[in-house]
Amino acid sequence: GDSVTQMEGPVTLSEEAFLTINCTYTATGYPSLFWYVQYPGEGLQLLLKATKADDKGSNKGFEATYRKETTSFHLEKGSVQVSDSAVYFCALIGMDSSYKLIFGSGTRLLVRP
Amino acid sequence: DAEITQSPRHKITETGRQVTLACHQTWNHNNMFWYRQDLGHGLRLIHYSYGVQDTNKGEVSDGYSVSRSNTEDLPLTLESAASSQTSVYFCASSSPGLGYNEQFFGPGTRLTVL
Repeated sequence: GDSVTQMEGPVTLSEEAFLTINCTYTATGYPSLFWYVQYPGEGLQLLLKATKADDKGSNKGFEATYRKETTSFHLEKGSVQVSDSAVYFCALIGMDSSYKLIFGSGTRLLVRP
Repeated sequence: DAEITQSPRHKITETGRQVTLACHQTWNHNNMFWYRQDLGHGLRLIHYSYGVQDTNKGEVSDGYSVSRSNTEDLPLTLESAASSQTSVYFCASSSPGLGYNEQFFGPGTRLTVL
């Protein structure tokens, strides 16, 4: 079945450092890919999305590119802030149009001043 | 503004008791989902519904049930709570007509089973 694999956390960075959180997936065809963010004590919010190969999703300085050849959707940000500290989830919806999200295990990011 | 709410936000119960977690959305979305969040597992799907009177089992449905009598609500029931069901529970909704199938999440319910 479809699955998502994320890098283990926590990831600890200093403010203004470059961020990469790796995400790879297993799915047939062309799933839709998402990054969700969960701030402490809150529910999940959609951060960005991409629905076809080579699409780049972007929001709040974060970017991720849908790479079909490597089945990856890595999250990047050029300069992180303390306010970016959160848990980040990579997820997909498969082509069977079931609307069901399949999540990775999440990566906690801690940004120090 | 449209929103999705969950209640209670925190619940402590005892093993064997029946517990119901409420989820209410005002988006008028057809699709509703229940997930549980556990460390190291991300979010796992418990049950989902594509409309009134429709319910389906997800990945970890044992010990849980749902019913959908209207568009706005999808209550989750733990028939006989077990310590393994201690978790944070999230409800979400989406619409088939919404671009990219984006799901909107509630704030979560932290359930502790003693």
